[in-house]
Amino acid sequence: AQSVAQPEDQVNVAEGNPLTVKCTYSVSGNPYLFWYVQYPNRGLQFLLKYITGDNLVKGSYGFEAEFNKSQTSFHLKKPSALVSDSALYFCAVRAPNAGNNRKLIWGLGTSLAVNP
Amino acid sequence: DAGITQSPRHKVTETGTPVTLRCHQTENHRYMYWYRQDPGHGLRLIHYSYGVKDTDKGEVSDGYSVSRSKTEDFLLTLESATSSQTSVYFCAISRGEVTDTQYFGPGTRLTVL
Repeated sequence: AQSVAQPEDQVNVAEGNPLTVKCTYSVSGNPYLFWYVQYPNRGLQFLLKYITGDNLVKGSYGFEAEFNKSQTSFHLKKPSALVSDSALYFCAVRAPNAGNNRKLIWGLGTSLAVNP
Repeated sequence: DAGITQSPRHKVTETGTPVTLRCHQTENHRYMYWYRQDPGHGLRLIHYSYGVKDTDKGEVSDGYSVSRSKTEDFLLTLESATSSQTSVYFCAISRGEVTDTQYFGPGTRLTVL
């Protein structure tokens, strides 16, 4: 079965330190991978996506993600965390060749807390 | 929020009453989606539409119906609301290419008493 795992419910980092939010997936073929962020009482905002090409993808607000096909991972990273990065982060995957099906497979989310 | 509005933004209703949530887009996107978000479950797809009058079920469609008579509007109806349908409901849109990003509306918080 196709699935996405975000192994950490919560990640705590100090402001100014690098952060990593982990995502692994189980999808056949070459998947399309997405990261979204949700601030309190807001909708989800798109951060970045991997379709093909360079394994390191740069996105909004200084975030980047590294696609690793052998480890089936797509970890979200930022070199220096800000308190304002505190939010809920979702990883999502879409399988290719899905016909009319554009559905995303979602992880359960990781709550990031950046401490001053 | 990518030209997506949801109405109402908040609603409190009683068990057994019908409820309709509206999603409106100004982007002329082909695909529209309804999700619910609950603690511990993340986002779950209820229904989606790939064109006017073209809809399909998601993973948690029981108790919900949808309609799309115009490109810009996607309605979600709870025929007879239950307390288990208390949730935050999000609409999303995408252009339709398989590599497309989904963009989300601000959400509707529904409480069923």
